[in-house]
Amino acid sequence: GESVGLHLPTLSVQEGDNSIINCAYSNSASDYFIWYKQESGKGPQFIIDIRSNMDKRQGQRVTVLLNKTVKHLSLQIAATQPGDSAVYFCAEKTSYDKVIFGPGTSLSVIP
Amino acid sequence: DAGITQSPRYKITETGRQVTLMCHQTWSHSYMFWYRQDLGHGLRLIYYSAAADITDKGEVPDGYVVSRSKTENFPLTLESATRSQTSVYFCASSWGSTYNSPLHFGNGTRLTVT
Repeated sequence: GESVGLHLPTLSVQEGDNSIINCAYSNSASDYFIWYKQESGKGPQFIIDIRSNMDKRQGQRVTVLLNKTVKHLSLQIAATQPGDSAVYFCAEKTSYDKVIFGPGTSLSVIP
Repeated sequence: DAGITQSPRYKITETGRQVTLMCHQTWSHSYMFWYRQDLGHGLRLIYYSAAADITDKGEVPDGYVVSRSKTENFPLTLESATRSQTSVYFCASSWGSTYNSPLHFGNGTRLTVT
């Protein structure tokens, strides 16, 4: 069935290093992908999105890469800061009623 | 984000009681959603609404009722709460159903059913 999963459930990085969070998806019909950040006690917060007709999209310190050939999505965070510590979710959207979230990966930044 | 607010933030109720979780958004977004978040299951869609007076079931609708008489409000009611409904509930909204319309979430309601 449809699924969105993450390769690494936890990730620890040194402050200042770059972080890479990976995500695999199985629905080749998905055409829109989103990354969310969730801090403790808060709702998921939109970070960046990408459409299926793109391979790469950059935001402020974040880059999302999409490889449709292998159904893989990644989020890169440059110069990781302590404030980046959170759980990160990838999500795929095929229609307004079909937003499938991955299980999440926890990013821990070591000062 | 002050655009979408949920109340209460915390709620403890007993099995069998009816409880309503409130959601209010100030963006005039057409689409609104209710998710529950549980360890091991991630975020699962309960109900969604494309506009006022239009609602539809999501992945896990059993035991829940929604209504949407006004665009800005989307309350979720547990008609007879069960322990399995102990969870964190998130309301979300988006302006559109297609590209470039990510969900914007509230800060959640932590519900405990005893």
